[in-house]
Amino acid sequence: QKEVEQNSGPLSVPEGAIASLNCTYSDRVSQSFFWYRQYSGKSPELIMSIYSNGDKEDGRFTAQLNKASQYVSLLIRDSQPSDSATYLCAVNHRGTYKYIFGTGTRLKVLA
Amino acid sequence: DADVTQTPRNRITKTGKRIMLECSQTKGHDRMYWYRQDPGLGLRLIYYSFDVKDINKGEISDGYSVSRQAQAKFSLSLESAIPNQTALYFCATQRGQGRSEQYFGPGTRLTVT
Repeated sequence: QKEVEQNSGPLSVPEGAIASLNCTYSDRVSQSFFWYRQYSGKSPELIMSIYSNGDKEDGRFTAQLNKASQYVSLLIRDSQPSDSATYLCAVNHRGTYKYIFGTGTRLKVLA
Repeated sequence: DADVTQTPRNRITKTGKRIMLECSQTKGHDRMYWYRQDPGLGLRLIYYSFDVKDINKGEISDGYSVSRQAQAKFSLSLESAIPNQTALYFCATQRGQGRSEQYFGPGTRLTVT
């Protein structure tokens, strides 16, 4: 079992719809969770971090964390073609240097 | 100006050559990292440094070495490049205290022929 798992996609959604991206992790001691957006050939760009159970909203983005079920998700409201990218989930264990990255979900927003 | 810069941005080199990739940051972060990214394998950690005197191997350090010349500079060297080191290389920085995010440089696309 991979430490951080994401569906590779592509996930296709129409413009204006809500895109839902999911990530599961295996280690219960994980404490910090991050979503990055990566356009093809470019570097990962931080979208959001979340540390506590529940929802965290930032503009069109909402991160959701459920530590009991070991998953973290990212919702993108009013999806735009410019949101088409690969979304990486990253998990950090408390007290360690280590970020574990998922392999990413490719999102395609159709105009 | 970008907070994290990498040079060169693209490099083609031949098998057996020595090559250095450089990373500089103006974020004032203590921690710096080198990753490589390959299709389907995600980001893998090569080396990391918590300060100038603290350098550690990551999960795939064989064939690589690093130097932390200053808080703001962290270089990655391939002593004798081989074709399977062809990849995208990213430098990242992180504030040292508490929970904090990693911020990535623009990357170096390295091709070893």
